[in-house]
Amino acid sequence: GQQVMQIPQYQHVQEGEDFTTYCNSSTTLSNIQWYKQRPGGHPVFLIQLVKSGEVKKQKRLTFQFGEAKKNSSLHITATQTTDVGTYFCAVYSSASKIIFGSGTRLSIRP
Amino acid sequence: GAGVSQSPRYKVAKRGQDVALRCDPISGHVSLFWYQQALGQGPEFLTYFQNEAQLDKSGLPSDRFFAERPEGSVSTLKIQRTQQEDSAVYLCASKLTAPGDSPLHFGNGTRLTVT
Repeated sequence: GQQVMQIPQYQHVQEGEDFTTYCNSSTTLSNIQWYKQRPGGHPVFLIQLVKSGEVKKQKRLTFQFGEAKKNSSLHITATQTTDVGTYFCAVYSSASKIIFGSGTRLSIRP
Repeated sequence: GAGVSQSPRYKVAKRGQDVALRCDPISGHVSLFWYQQALGQGPEFLTYFQNEAQLDKSGLPSDRFFAERPEGSVSTLKIQRTQQEDSAVYLCASKLTAPGDSPLHFGNGTRLTVT
């Protein structure tokens, strides 16, 4: 069935450095969603991308959807300690099934 | 407004016991999902309801797992004869629409520990 690969698994950065996580699919996606899960918390919706080549920004976060709609990235500029958590992409595997990537855990050295 | 509510927050069960986990979705949300999240892993899909209809249960690990949403609102995930490998956080998420652009809203989860 549909799978989505997310890399890297972990990233440890100095505060102020940038961070990027990537999500890749072997099949064309209808859309892709990104979620953030703080330690001990639950996933919280960040954004949805629908169009080929779409780029959306939320303050220091930039989300991109590939031209072929098979990959996506989340980039954080100048990380802050509040960015700590695990970032997941999520896609529709079928009309009734939303599956999540394995996540990228971001930790930050102050 | 009120978010998705799950209870209990924590559950410890002895191996072989049955457990029932409850999810109160956001009022009016059509779609309801159950996920299992092991430590350090992403949420794994278990099952999906559209109103009271269970449209997808392909992620349920075994016939010990059963979910229902009889009136299209509250849902219960039941695990019979719990095993140690069932230990995980069980997340419920609701969504305003059937497949479409609305996001998933998650509850805080139930952490199940099977001893």
